[in-house]
Amino acid sequence: QKEVEQDPGPLSVPEGAIVSLNCTYSNSAFQYFMWYRQYSRKGPELLMYTYSSGNKEDGRFTAQVDKSSKYISLFIRDSQPSDSATYLCAMSGPTDKLIFGTGTRLQVFP
Amino acid sequence: ETGVTQSPTHLIKTRGQQVTLRCSSQSGHNTVSWYQQALGQGPQFIFQYYREEENGRGNFPPRFSGLQFPNYSSELNVNALELDDSALYLCASSLGGVTEAFFGQGTRLTVV
Repeated sequence: QKEVEQDPGPLSVPEGAIVSLNCTYSNSAFQYFMWYRQYSRKGPELLMYTYSSGNKEDGRFTAQVDKSSKYISLFIRDSQPSDSATYLCAMSGPTDKLIFGTGTRLQVFP
Repeated sequence: ETGVTQSPTHLIKTRGQQVTLRCSSQSGHNTVSWYQQALGQGPQFIFQYYREEENGRGNFPPRFSGLQFPNYSSELNVNALELDDSALYLCASSLGGVTEAFFGQGTRLTVV
């Protein structure tokens, strides 16, 4: 079993839709939870990170962490074609290394 | 755009050869981590350097080695290349921990 599980998609939605991306994990030592966006043939770009459980909002993006369920989510409101990319969840704990999910490919069509 | 730059952007090598990849970290960042991303997969941690010392290593064989210089730039060396080493190699720089790690654009290595 992988430490971090992420549905690879692809996920295809119309412009303006609310997108929900999710990851589950097995290691209870994870404390920091990140979401990265990766465009084709580019490096991952940090969108936001959250410490422990709770919600964090940044513009159209909201990250949620539920440590009791070992489940994290990223919501994108009013999705745009420019949001089309692969979204990677990542987590870190005491070992100070990032453990990534496989990434979910998102396509937003006009 | 992050301030992390990697070179070269693309590279083709023959099985058995050696390769060196380079990373210039963002100004003020003292920690560099290297990741390998195979096609359709998430990045896998190779190792991390903090102030010129190795500070953690993932499940990669010893033929993967690295170096960090006094200006915090870094190199990844891979000896005896295998076909499975074909991947996107990513460098991430941060200040201290990996909470806010910024990635370069990567080096795409193809081993033939």
